[in-house]
Amino acid sequence: TQLLEQSPQFLSIQEGENLTVYCNSSSVFSSLQWYRQEPGEGPVLLVTVVTGGEVKKLKRLTFQFGDARKDSSLHITAAQPGDTGLYLCAGARWGDSNYQLIWGAGTKLIIKP
Amino acid sequence: NAGVMQNPRHLVRRRGQEARLRCSPMKGHSHVYWYRQLPEEGLKFMVYLQKENIIDESGMPKERFSAEFPKEGPSILRIQQVVRGDSAAYFCASSPTVAGAHNEQFFGPGTRLTVL
Repeated sequence: TQLLEQSPQFLSIQEGENLTVYCNSSSVFSSLQWYRQEPGEGPVLLVTVVTGGEVKKLKRLTFQFGDARKDSSLHITAAQPGDTGLYLCAGARWGDSNYQLIWGAGTKLIIKP
Repeated sequence: NAGVMQNPRHLVRRRGQEARLRCSPMKGHSHVYWYRQLPEEGLKFMVYLQKENIIDESGMPKERFSAEFPKEGPSILRIQQVVRGDSAAYFCASSPTVAGAHNEQFFGPGTRLTVL
């Protein structure tokens, strides 16, 4: 059972289009992080959202944390080929004795010039 | 400020050999995490360690796999008697001394293990 459902799994669009990636869960998270991973490299943290309803912008990327802190979205405006990569969401929550990061399966994004 | 370092970047082993993967966390970070990633897939958590302690190994196979993070030196992920199914990218991440609610992790470049 995937605790953090990420969709879509794969998205291929033309340069200039807009897109949204979703992460959904039945669990409440203390925070949610978005990472981007390029081929042959490790994931790089883009943003952390902490407060329910929080919106953060990073240039053309807009991240939103759901009011109930169970879901999040990443919206990219006017996508560029440089946005191509694997986007991963990860929710932080307290486990048995330590904080855990619950990872989504990733969205592979291809932006065609 | 050097980031998380992993070596080797690429490792080829024959079935039955041992694979030893190293990770040096960022300066000042004493929490280390190991993940496995298959091509075109997300990350699978394996183990979480602090200096000299294994905190959470719930994602690590019970046999052939072990991890350590000694007082001195890098963290080591060890795979004994490798099989072809162990072929994957293994990523290490570290976080600051106090892992709080944000629990942000910083990743290394990964080690790509190929088992022939």
